[in-house]
Amino acid sequence: DIQMTQSPSSLSASVGDRVTITCRASQGVSTYLAWFRQKPGKAPKSLIFGASKLQDGVPSRFSGSGFGTDFSLTISNLQSEDFATYYCLQYTHYPPTFGGGSRIEI
Amino acid sequence: QVQLQETGPGLVRPSQTLSLICTVSGGSVNSGDFYWHWIRQHPGGALEWIGYIFHSGDTYYNPSLKSRLSISMDTSNNHFSLILSSVTAADTAVYFCARRPRITIRSFDFWGQGILVTVSS
Repeated sequence: DIQMTQSPSSLSASVGDRVTITCRASQGVSTYLAWFRQKPGKAPKSLIFGASKLQDGVPSRFSGSGFGTDFSLTISNLQSEDFATYYCLQYTHYPPTFGGGSRIEI
Repeated sequence: QVQLQETGPGLVRPSQTLSLICTVSGGSVNSGDFYWHWIRQHPGGALEWIGYIFHSGDTYYNPSLKSRLSISMDTSNNHFSLILSSVTAADTAVYFCARRPRITIRSFDFWGQGILVTVSS
């Protein structure tokens, strides 16, 4: 299975900040990389697919980049609803595998 | 807009069988445009992909669960199901169903709200 390593595992930020989370794959996944935001007690919500494509309805303050093994998610102008846990997912090789999560705290 | 809803027992005894249903509304499980998946989240947050089913009945399972797992589809009731046998405490998790489009680079775009299943005597 492909291992997905996210960093940092947690970070503290304030409303209006710009934050970046990274995800590294143990082998190349092309651009089959997605990002999800999860709030407590809720299902993960799709933010980014194809490494850099914004899911319908997702605000433009979210952006993704990367190819192969190294990817990043950037949130500019952090909003209160963005304090949550973020997961990356590779879905080019079965089984699909998720990163361990990055928690953004106030 | 499509919605998915997981139902099933919240408590299963060790060595017994876990059975869950994902009911789809606002869309058809018989559509050839989507794969229908199960994913679980362990206490502590780790997400694990379980398997999928396609409208043709084709399935693909996580090798780590394959020997205990079965996923099926009921097109007349527009739902798909998960059966996991011989459960242990390690199967305690929130179980989600989700949809993934077939022919695009999109990943899991719609999820159910999730159902907590606890394995305990």
